[in-house]
Amino acid sequence: GQNIDQPTEMTATEGAIVQINCTYQTSGFNGLFWYQQHAGEAPTFLSYNVLDGLEEKGRFSSFLSRSKGYSYLLLKELQMKDSASYLCALMDSNYQLIWGAGTKLIIKP
Amino acid sequence: NAGVTQTPKFRVLKTGQSMTLLCAQDMNHEYMYWYRQDPGMGLRLIHYSVGEGTTAKGEVPDGYNVSRLKKQNFLLGLESAAPSQTSVYFCATERGDRDTDTQYFGPGTRLTVL
Repeated sequence: GQNIDQPTEMTATEGAIVQINCTYQTSGFNGLFWYQQHAGEAPTFLSYNVLDGLEEKGRFSSFLSRSKGYSYLLLKELQMKDSASYLCALMDSNYQLIWGAGTKLIIKP
Repeated sequence: NAGVTQTPKFRVLKTGQSMTLLCAQDMNHEYMYWYRQDPGMGLRLIHYSVGEGTTAKGEVPDGYNVSRLKKQNFLLGLESAAPSQTSVYFCATERGDRDTDTQYFGPGTRLTVL
């Protein structure tokens, strides 16, 4: 089966850097996604990794290590609007997404 | 373009009542999904469709039925609602060509079953 773990909640300061980790176990792998979800809203796509390494997209970067079953989302120059839940999702061998419970990120001034 | 829309946005049902949630998309995407989101849990797949006229069961299909008679619409039905079905329901679409696997979500339907 598959399993995804990510911290329930994290707190960071405006202007700082925060790293949100995601670990997974799976028998089939077709990529790892990160989505952002503001309270009361729909998830929106942030990043996709299928090969090992770092993908950078503006203030956000995502890293993947397939051998370690590990990914992280790095957010730089934090802004208050970054307060949201960040969802890690694994695409399995059937191309279906298996979702983590999400990490609620609280940004303090 | 409206993208992905869901109706209704909110609904309160009594146990045993039935209802249909509608998801509509104008993105010409082949794949459509119904998820439920509960506190402390990841999104869970209820049913999905890989094209007009096709449907398949996801992780938690019991108590729900779906239909995809038109490419742009995906309906989720609850025949006899139960309090355990109180949740936020999200519809999502995906182009389906496997080169771009991003899912696009509707705004959600907040359902309470009393």
